[in-house]
Amino acid sequence: QEKVQQSPESLIVPEGAMVSLNCSFSDSASQSIWWYQQHPGKGPKALISIFSNGNKKEGRLTVYLNRASLHVSLHIKDSQPSDSAVYLCAVSPNQGGSAKLIFGEGTKLTVSS
Amino acid sequence: GGIITQTPKFLIGQEGQKLTLKCQQNFNHDTMYWYRQDSGKGLRLIYYSITENDLQKGDLSEGYDASREKKSSFSLTVTSAQKNEMAVFLCASSIRDWGCQDTQYFGPGTRLLVL
Repeated sequence: QEKVQQSPESLIVPEGAMVSLNCSFSDSASQSIWWYQQHPGKGPKALISIFSNGNKKEGRLTVYLNRASLHVSLHIKDSQPSDSAVYLCAVSPNQGGSAKLIFGEGTKLTVSS
Repeated sequence: GGIITQTPKFLIGQEGQKLTLKCQQNFNHDTMYWYRQDSGKGLRLIYYSITENDLQKGDLSEGYDASREKKSSFSLTVTSAQKNEMAVFLCASSIRDWGCQDTQYFGPGTRLLVL
């Protein structure tokens, strides 16, 4: 069974700081890795996904995937108070095209103004 | 764009009661999902359905039934609510079941409290 672990559990940064969130997974053959953002009382919203080793940039977000070390990270540039939310890492396990996602427990980010 | 609607927003039940949660999506997506989220925890998959009348068990299916009678709707039944149970049930949909890159879109959730 795929396991997904996130760190840190929580993080407080000043507005404008660079934020780095970490996620480790247990199966190097896993398919895509997703990052979701969840504001209080809302459902998660997909931010960015990555499949191939390396990095992918979308706006203020950059994600890095290293399958050899079973690690993926999300970096948020120039953080804003509206970025305050829980960030969930989710992994699509290697199950022949399964629709399933395995989620980590999340990192709670607070960006102070 | 589309939207996922979950009803009710809040559900308070009694121990042993059968409770039904409903989800509607207008994305015209093939696959729909039910997840459970306990406070401060990640999401755990209860059931998913890749098409009308299909049901696939997730890791947390025990104690739950699901029904997909139409492409646009997916219901979840808690067969016997457990005392002190408190969780958020999230419904999601995605465009097809086999594409590992497909985005899952989530509803706002139903908050369950069992007295």
